[in-house]
Amino acid sequence: DIVMTQSPLSLPVTPGEPASISCRSSQSLLRSSTGYYNLDWYLQKPGQSPQLLIYLASNRASGVPDRFSGSGSGTDFTLKISRVEAEDVGVYYCMQALHPPYTFGQGTKLEIK
Amino acid sequence: QVQLVQSGGEVKKPGASVKVSCKASGYTFTNYAIHWVRQAPGQRLEWMGWINAGNGDTKYSEKFQGRVTITTDTSASTAYMDLSSLTSEDTAVFYCTRHCTSPSCPGFDYWGQGTLVTVSS
Repeated sequence: DIVMTQSPLSLPVTPGEPASISCRSSQSLLRSSTGYYNLDWYLQKPGQSPQLLIYLASNRASGVPDRFSGSGSGTDFTLKISRVEAEDVGVYYCMQALHPPYTFGQGTKLEIK
Repeated sequence: QVQLVQSGGEVKKPGASVKVSCKASGYTFTNYAIHWVRQAPGQRLEWMGWINAGNGDTKYSEKFQGRVTITTDTSASTAYMDLSSLTSEDTAVFYCTRHCTSPSCPGFDYWGQGTLVTVSS
């Protein structure tokens, strides 16, 4: 199975400040047939179901504010929030969708200072 | 609008089975796959398996192989996840989520509200 490792696991951020979460996979997430990296980012707000933020490493999902961005290649990926807002609190997960079983990172809990 | 509505919470005894439903609306059910994801208390999300609602093909995580069965009733636009031989470690929230069936899919773009299954003697 592909192992997904996130850091940090806890991320206290002052509103208006940037934030960055790292996600590393145990093998490359490049799908050679498409040229895309099958890495998605999800946010699970308190008491809610997960919601899609970023797909194929760098594409914002519909309705996601442009302060969220995804980047990376190979085995190293990053989610960045340019200016954190109070509504961004929750647990962020990366997930690989290259090879079943699809696997998630441990989650990064973002909290407001 | 797209919605995935799951059945209500369940309390089961160890050794029993549970069947959770996921009713889809707002899109053509057979154009997508339905995946099931488990979240035990305080744990990361865990992928269980998926079904292509168009042709019925399934793929399960080896962790749940032999215990999980995912099916659909296309006439009702509903997917089902059946988990057998329950133990206390299966106490979790189970989510259904939608995914298109191509390799360039835009992720799990819609999720059900989650179903809490509690396994207790």
